[in-house]
Amino acid sequence: AIQMTQSPSSLSASVGDRVTITCRASQGIRNDLGWYQQKPGKAPKLLIYAASSLQSGVPSRFSGSGSGTDFTLTISSLQPEDFATYYCLQDHDYPNTFGQGTKLEIK
Amino acid sequence: VQLVESGGGLVQPGGSVRLSCAASGFTFNIYTMIWVRQAPGKGLEWLSYISSSGSTIYYADSVKGRFTISRDNAKNSLYLQMDSLKDEDTALYYCARRLRALVSSQYFYKMDVWGQGTTVTVSS
Repeated sequence: AIQMTQSPSSLSASVGDRVTITCRASQGIRNDLGWYQQKPGKAPKLLIYAASSLQSGVPSRFSGSGSGTDFTLTISSLQPEDFATYYCLQDHDYPNTFGQGTKLEIK
Repeated sequence: VQLVESGGGLVQPGGSVRLSCAASGFTFNIYTMIWVRQAPGKGLEWLSYISSSGSTIYYADSVKGRFTISRDNAKNSLYLQMDSLKDEDTALYYCARRLRALVSSQYFYKMDVWGQGTTVTVSS
């Protein structure tokens, strides 16, 4: 199975900060990667698909980049509602696999 | 557009339970579907995939041979039969829709609709 290594596992930041979360695949996965946001007690929410395509309705401060094995989720200017846990998910091969998650906390 | 899971509860180790995921507001029979779970305080774990017709199925190694995914397109429903349950199967179980998207002349998939989850607790 393809392993997704996500970093950091946790991150403290302030409103207005720019933050970056990375995912590395154990083998090439083309652009078959999505980013999901999860808030406590809620289902995951799709933010980015195909590594860099913004899901409809998601604020433009979220962006994704990367291809092959290295991927990045960037939030350009943190808003209070962005404090949550973020996961990458590779959809290139089965079984699909999630990264371990990054908990974004308020500094 | 909605997915609603049901069927969770308290089950003894070694026991079985069948989860259901009822779809509404979209043409269920053209979408592939997945199950994902989240153990208490842990991250998301992808479990299983089923094609729109039900003819192609994949599982995570952790549940292969114990869990069975299926669907009834006439009833707009997805299922997860869970057998030989273990303590470590205790989790919140989500179903999600897989939507195909065309990006730069290539097809990609995104899990764009999720249910609210149903909790399975395996304990004696």
